[in-house]
Amino acid sequence: EAGVAQSPRYKIIEKRQSVAFWCNPISGHATLYWYQQILGQGPKLLIQFQNNGVVDDSQLPKDRFSAERLKGVDSTLKIQPAKLEDSAVYLCASSLDSRLAGRTGELFFGEGSRLTVL
Amino acid sequence: LAKTTQPISMDSYEGQEVNITCSHNNIATNDYITWYQQFPSQGPRFIIQGYKTKVTNEVASLFIPADRKSSTLSLPRVSLSDTAVYYCLVGDGTHNTNAGKSTFGDGTTLTVKP
Repeated sequence: EAGVAQSPRYKIIEKRQSVAFWCNPISGHATLYWYQQILGQGPKLLIQFQNNGVVDDSQLPKDRFSAERLKGVDSTLKIQPAKLEDSAVYLCASSLDSRLAGRTGELFFGEGSRLTVL
Repeated sequence: LAKTTQPISMDSYEGQEVNITCSHNNIATNDYITWYQQFPSQGPRFIIQGYKTKVTNEVASLFIPADRKSSTLSLPRVSLSDTAVYYCLVGDGTHNTNAGKSTFGDGTTLTVKP
């Protein structure tokens, strides 16, 4: 079974530039997550999708970050304009439908996209 | 948010058993406890999940006392390759809990020495 695919693996940009990250979740996984992981910290949830709808984006800095999952499969995360403090690894994860009561879930992560903002 | 507390770091030697404890005082009745492992330059990976008492799989055991306010991940006979960061998460293994969203803390960095 193919895992969660992310690209690019590495990206270096100047501050105030824009960047986009792409994620292809595991086939059949209805729920998709984007996390930001700053060096030395645990992953912080930015946004959670259920199919193509947003479930939780309370920690997404909406003035500069945006994300979409138009057809309920692939997703993109965009940062515009980037700031120095956005330097981090951006992790995508997917899981089976998280709305099913009583189901025990598991997050499947991609390898992440490492962003360096200069 | 469902909050967890873990030690920041632990050291061990090859061949020893390692126990990492996580506190989760506000765990909800239907929440499960899930542990993830993360190596450098990789995303976290599921290790084990449990609800109560003891769960064992091929890589670890999970001990959960009756009050469920804490849990202990046990790694038997660790090797150098077990050096990683370990996170516990309460909820359904994702971010959904009956008490709101759960969150990854900063995890426990385990260093296994030869």
